[in-house]
Amino acid sequence: EAAVTQSPRNKVAVTGGKVTLSCNQTNNHNNMYWYRQDTGHGLRLIHYSYGAGSTEKGDIPDGYKASRPSQENFSLILELATPSQTSVYFCASGANAEQFFGPGTRLTVL
Amino acid sequence: AQSVTQPDARVTVSEGASLQLRCKYSSSVTPYLFWYVQYPRQGLQLLLKYYSGDPVVQGVNGFEAEFSKSNSSFHLRKASVHWSDSAVYFCAVTDNYAQGLTFGLGTRVSVFP
Repeated sequence: EAAVTQSPRNKVAVTGGKVTLSCNQTNNHNNMYWYRQDTGHGLRLIHYSYGAGSTEKGDIPDGYKASRPSQENFSLILELATPSQTSVYFCASGANAEQFFGPGTRLTVL
Repeated sequence: AQSVTQPDARVTVSEGASLQLRCKYSSSVTPYLFWYVQYPRQGLQLLLKYYSGDPVVQGVNGFEAEFSKSNSSFHLRKASVHWSDSAVYFCAVTDNYAQGLTFGLGTRVSVFP
């Protein structure tokens, strides 16, 4: 059974709208991460978390917020979505130098 | 700051042939190094990781990688590829794994019969 799940798997949003991407893990890992994947850029780290209540900025945090209300859940929030945020977003949980990735969310901002 | 360079965007090999994917990294300290594989429309799966010890590390599905501090490299190898090895392979680095990974752009491998 999948240990890192993401919802929704696909999302179409309008420019200026609010988007929330959700991630749930059953690995009981303290660390969680949000990345985006774009052609020509590989995967880039947006936000990460050390545990419930913790959120930290990654390499490209502008335009994104994160929320970690519990050990299991880590959300990525786009308060005012822009077309440049069209991408595939991956969540991961990690421990002992290993990260386990979810299946990804394909977000299109029109 | 860390960085990863995968110089080959695409590699095409015949089934049964050997495969080598190149990875060069830049880091101020000896980092953690990883190879991940991504199959179509899926997330990334860990193939192997290295931090210290024997510079040749074994991974899943017959993959291995060799670390070279002098060359700042972490190349991935497989002796005999199968069509199911067709995927995108990412090299990644971090000096603090709790703070996330820095990925290369990936190498797309196509295996032909």
